[in-house]
Amino acid sequence: AQSVSQHNHHVILSEAASLELGCNYSYGGTVNLFWYVQYPGQHLQLLLKYFSGDPLVKGIKGFEAEFIKSKFSFNLRKPSVQWSDTAEYFCAVNPFYNTDKLIFGTGTRLQVFP
Amino acid sequence: GAGVSQSPRYKVAKRGQDVALRCDPISGHVSLFWYQQALGQGPEFLTYFQNEAQLDKSGLPSDRFFAERPEGSVSTLKIQRTQQEDSAVYLCASSFRVNNSPLHFGNGTRLTVT
Repeated sequence: AQSVSQHNHHVILSEAASLELGCNYSYGGTVNLFWYVQYPGQHLQLLLKYFSGDPLVKGIKGFEAEFIKSKFSFNLRKPSVQWSDTAEYFCAVNPFYNTDKLIFGTGTRLQVFP
Repeated sequence: GAGVSQSPRYKVAKRGQDVALRCDPISGHVSLFWYQQALGQGPEFLTYFQNEAQLDKSGLPSDRFFAERPEGSVSTLKIQRTQQEDSAVYLCASSFRVNNSPLHFGNGTRLTVT
């Protein structure tokens, strides 16, 4: 079945450690790709998006993601995490040409300790 | 505020009761989506409106679920004869255009069916 996979369900890091969260999808053709973040008690917020062009996209708060078409991947990275990055991170894919409907992964819970 | 507004924030219903969840999208946003998020899972698509037209209701889990957006702005998700498996956070999102624009999410309504 077509899906979005996030293999890391729970990640625990110390401040200043580097972060990489995996995201793979199984849709063919053109896709739009997103990472959303949900801080405790808050709504889902857009971190970054990829529609076309440079496969390395930069988002807010120092996050970036790289689209590798051959691997159907869109991994999220940050060189040095902060305690305030503690949140749940969701990868999402739009494989449709005529709607902004998103298919989400199951999410990765990130805990950063000082 | 300028964000997507959902009410109520929390709803407790006894099994068998009907509930109605409201969403006020960002003004001028054409597209409106409802998602269901179970504990520990990513959001799952329920239904999609473009203005007042419900173009996709493929994610509604049963005929107990009904959504409307009669004037192309505010939307209501109604669940009849609630069951325990309906317990989840119901998220509303809107986007400015029909395609290639990110979704803006509300805080959600947490529904608990006892």
